[in-house]
Amino acid sequence: AQSVTQLDSHVSVSEGTPVLLRCNYSSSYSPSLFWYVQHPNKGLQLLLKYTSAATLVKGINGFEAEFKKSETSFHLTKPSAHMSDAAEYFCVLAADKLIFGTGTRLQVFP
Amino acid sequence: EAGVAQSPRYKIIEKRQSVAFWCNPISGHATLYWYQQILGQGPKLLIQFQNNGVVDDSQLPKDRFSAERLKGVDSTLKIQPAKLEDSAVYLCASSQRTGWDTDTQYFGPGTRLTVL
Repeated sequence: AQSVTQLDSHVSVSEGTPVLLRCNYSSSYSPSLFWYVQHPNKGLQLLLKYTSAATLVKGINGFEAEFKKSETSFHLTKPSAHMSDAAEYFCVLAADKLIFGTGTRLQVFP
Repeated sequence: EAGVAQSPRYKIIEKRQSVAFWCNPISGHATLYWYQQILGQGPKLLIQFQNNGVVDDSQLPKDRFSAERLKGVDSTLKIQPAKLEDSAVYLCASSQRTGWDTDTQYFGPGTRLTVL
């Protein structure tokens, strides 16, 4: 069965500290994986995507994610959080359709 | 370029009433998607159109939900009659093609539906 699990429903960090949002996946095939961000009252925006090329994927706004097949993980990181990063983040698996995780709400404190 | 447009942004109705949502995709995008996002969950695909044909409607509750994309451009999603559990944000997205692993979907701001 194809699925994604976001391990944390909420993550809180201080501005300027690193961000780690965790995602595990289950897939029978070589997966394509995405991270989307959703700001309040705005549409989902693609941060980055992995499609079996380089395992370290760089996205917009300083985010990056590393695909680890041995751990079936695709964690999202950023070296230094900014207040504007506060939003909901979704890990997404591309199967015959996009399968979204339940989301991680990132709070950034000044 | 203009993004995906949706209207209305908010809608409140009584149960058993009907409601319709409208979506205008990015110009030139052949594929259009409707998603349902219930509070605290990730979006779930309801229906996918390729031009004006349905590609996937396996998760659309067809006894009460319908959708059309008659001219292969904009689309409407209708619920009739609405139930309390239909309260959600309805998201429209579009993409140039149907390559799941390579084609980026662009999302509209959504319509927040509250059924009382």
